[in-house]
Amino acid sequence: GAVVSQHPSWVICKSGTSVKIECRSLDFQATTMFWYRQFPKQSLMLMATSNEGSKATYEQGVEKDKFLINHASLTLSTLTVTSAHPEDSSFYICSASPAWTSGSEQFFGPGTRLTVL
Amino acid sequence: QKEVEQDPGPLSVPEGAIVSLNCTYSNSAFQYFMWYRQYSRKGPELLMYTYSSGNKEDGRFTAQVDKSSKYISLFIRDSQPSDSATYLCAMSVQAGTALIFGKGTTLSVSS
Repeated sequence: GAVVSQHPSWVICKSGTSVKIECRSLDFQATTMFWYRQFPKQSLMLMATSNEGSKATYEQGVEKDKFLINHASLTLSTLTVTSAHPEDSSFYICSASPAWTSGSEQFFGPGTRLTVL
Repeated sequence: QKEVEQDPGPLSVPEGAIVSLNCTYSNSAFQYFMWYRQYSRKGPELLMYTYSSGNKEDGRFTAQVDKSSKYISLFIRDSQPSDSATYLCAMSVQAGTALIFGKGTTLSVSS
């Protein structure tokens, strides 16, 4: 299967600071990546679709000015949580589909656990 | 009604048992169906992928899709303690689009 990495795997920050999370496709190129958020004992909820070379598409209720997404290359998408607050504490996971699956199979990164104090 | 319904469990079985996990959905446009396994504090791992209706087998795992009933299943044969995890069903309308997930079923296999 394809490999997707995320960095950092966990981060603790103070309220009001910004945190950047990287998502990389290691062995394939991804024109589209997806960012999900998962609260404890809850399922994954889509936050936004990240498109290489263009603006991200955000789901209803997700603040685009708070969750900045940059898909700078075919192997890297970043999610920046700006002015983080305790309610932003969550598990953030990205996914991508290799072209050889015709987009039908999505592979997930290991996730980033964000704790805002 | 949520788009994808999945019984959260927990489901506890003895080692060697056959496990049946299920999801129902409401959107008849879903065509791509996946099962993921997620261990605590880890990202989901793709187990099975099925397009449209039918069965697919991979080792101890069998995925079934019944589009007429809007019902999908994952069977695990000869379950092992290492199968203890949360199993998430996911589906999408088109290839390359975001997935809609069920809540996940927590499975515990005791030795």
